[in-house]
Amino acid sequence: KAGVTQTPRYLIKTRGQQVTLSCSPISGHRSVSWYQQTPGQGLQFLFEYFSETQRNKGNFPGRFSGRQFSNSRSEMNVSTLELGDSALYLCASSSGSANEKLFFGSGTQLSVL
Amino acid sequence: EDQVTQSPEALRLQEGESSSLNCSYTVSGLRGLFWYRQDPGKGPEFLFTLYSAGEEKEKERLKATLTKKESFLHITAPKPEDSATYLCAALDQTGANNLFFGTGTRLTVIP
Repeated sequence: KAGVTQTPRYLIKTRGQQVTLSCSPISGHRSVSWYQQTPGQGLQFLFEYFSETQRNKGNFPGRFSGRQFSNSRSEMNVSTLELGDSALYLCASSSGSANEKLFFGSGTQLSVL
Repeated sequence: EDQVTQSPEALRLQEGESSSLNCSYTVSGLRGLFWYRQDPGKGPEFLFTLYSAGEEKEKERLKATLTKKESFLHITAPKPEDSATYLCAALDQTGANNLFFGTGTRLTVIP
């Protein structure tokens, strides 16, 4: 069974640009969550999508958005990039039940110059 | 405010030298306490879930335990391949399926 796939693996952008990251969950998983990981803050929850609907949202500005398609694939968008958005963005999938373990992808490393 | 704190930040052990990692949590109505392992350049990999105080789970050289305020990850006779960052995460009772992560303990096991 293929794992969670994130593309691209690395991205370099400049301030003010926007970026779209992609995540393909494990087959059969309907929940996709996104996390931001930085050395100082650790992993912080961005949002979760379940069956194409945003089910939960963390404390990030509106510049961070996402969506989920009917095949459960998800995209995350960051508009008007800031230097502080440089981070590893991780996607995780699960079947969507409570208390369930998450399966993480290897992440997209975003550098904002 | 929900919070998870891990200590120490980094730990160096000789191969075979057992130790414990600590995870303190302040979460309203804990629904689950998770341990993950993260290798450089990879996403976290699930290890354990603990649901109630007194619960213990084991996997090879690792054993996780849970009290009402803390969780411990005990590593017995570690090997160099156990070197990784170990992350603790808590799920609260809000119904939101998001995890509160600690910043991790970076473990290095020296041959």
